[in-house]
Amino acid sequence: DAKTTQPPSMDCAEGRAANLPCNHSTISGNEYVYWYRQIHSQGPQYIIHGLKNNETNEMASLIITEDRKSSTLILPHATLRDTAVYYCIVGSGGSNYKLTFGKGTLLTVNP
Amino acid sequence: ETGVTQTPRHLVMGMTNKKSLKCEQHLGHNAMYWYKQSAKKPLELMFVYNFKEQTENNSVPSRFSPECPNSSHLFLHLHTLQPEDSALYLCASSQEPLAGGWVRNEQFFGPGTRLTVL
Repeated sequence: DAKTTQPPSMDCAEGRAANLPCNHSTISGNEYVYWYRQIHSQGPQYIIHGLKNNETNEMASLIITEDRKSSTLILPHATLRDTAVYYCIVGSGGSNYKLTFGKGTLLTVNP
Repeated sequence: ETGVTQTPRHLVMGMTNKKSLKCEQHLGHNAMYWYKQSAKKPLELMFVYNFKEQTENNSVPSRFSPECPNSSHLFLHLHTLQPEDSALYLCASSQEPLAGGWVRNEQFFGPGTRLTVL
């Protein structure tokens, strides 16, 4: 599976948009980009995934560049409860257990 | 109960003890996983069970012994652990695709068991 690179930490003001970047320059054509987050001392939680097109759900938006070498997770109105480690993962859709978690980005939302 | 549950939530054990961690999923999934998360380290996949059959063992020491009696239950039996085995142990489940099919890589995680080995 392709490797991802994320900044170790970011800060965001409450109510503002949080934009979390991820580089995945070695992504292959059939690999998806997945985002999970882990709130302190809890299990990770799925947020969103995408292949080529931008995606949006009730939690977040995912913007994938045209060359698919990078993506950005957007939390449109961050709250204090969004403080967590965010993981960007690249994997194929046919095999669920090929999810490799890196160190992720610790997002701290400040009041 | 909904989702993925794990018991106990906290466990303290000595190096000579034998204990078991339990995981139960109420989602009708057919694959279950054990992960280990040590302090300031990424999640490490330990074991994968697919349709009750172990399909992956990531070089985990034999002092960790998994058991999957059915698709809804997963156990991790612990014996003669070391202090460095202290960690958060997470269970997850997912729906594996049938032959030729595709599903998204969405794993549902339990809250974890915080294990301390003295």
